[in-house]
Amino acid sequence: EAQVTQNPRYLITVTGKKLTVTCSQNMNHEYMSWYRQDPGLGLRQIYYSMNVEVTDKGDVPEGYKVSRKEKRNFPLILESPSPNQTSLYFCASSFRAVNTEAFFGQGTRLTVV
Amino acid sequence: AQRVTQPEKLLSVFKGAPVELKCNYSYSGSPELFWYVQYSRQRLQLLLRHISRESIKGFTADLNKGETSFHLKKPFAQEEDSAMYYCALTSPQGGKLIFGQGTELSVKP
Repeated sequence: EAQVTQNPRYLITVTGKKLTVTCSQNMNHEYMSWYRQDPGLGLRQIYYSMNVEVTDKGDVPEGYKVSRKEKRNFPLILESPSPNQTSLYFCASSFRAVNTEAFFGQGTRLTVV
Repeated sequence: AQRVTQPEKLLSVFKGAPVELKCNYSYSGSPELFWYVQYSRQRLQLLLRHISRESIKGFTADLNKGETSFHLKKPFAQEEDSAMYYCALTSPQGGKLIFGQGTELSVKP
């Protein structure tokens, strides 16, 4: 089944403890991205990747890192999480960057205390 | 700057009533516009996109370049339409899918 898989689905952590949220797609998509969803703000892009080893900042990149060593994986790294990063995170992938359907993961609900 | 605005946070209608979810955008160039839907406890999924000009689940959306709008419409709402709806736009560089704030549609029996 074609899909985008995120792990974990739920995570509670403490301020400053490094964490990684994984994202994997099995559709051979070139384009992948991360969003955070907050009430009243909709989805805001954190980082995106056009292809392997090509990444760029979205609208709210501060406090996040990403890597794209393989086409299928696009992990989101929080080196030192803070409470304002408490949010619902979505990974998405698409065949290319423009004018194609984006496929989303099920989301990761992160709470930083 | 490219922007998508959905003025209504919540839209509540009765089953069988017409529905219009508003979306306005600001964009320099030819926009690529989409509607995504998120049903309760499910992932976002594409509902429709303006270039395909198709109707999905009874929903349609017409791009009005003069009014810079891409409103989503359905003539007769169903309870299963209750969900969060996001209007989105692809940036000219192709690197971003810019979302509106979302409108929660609640269809009452």
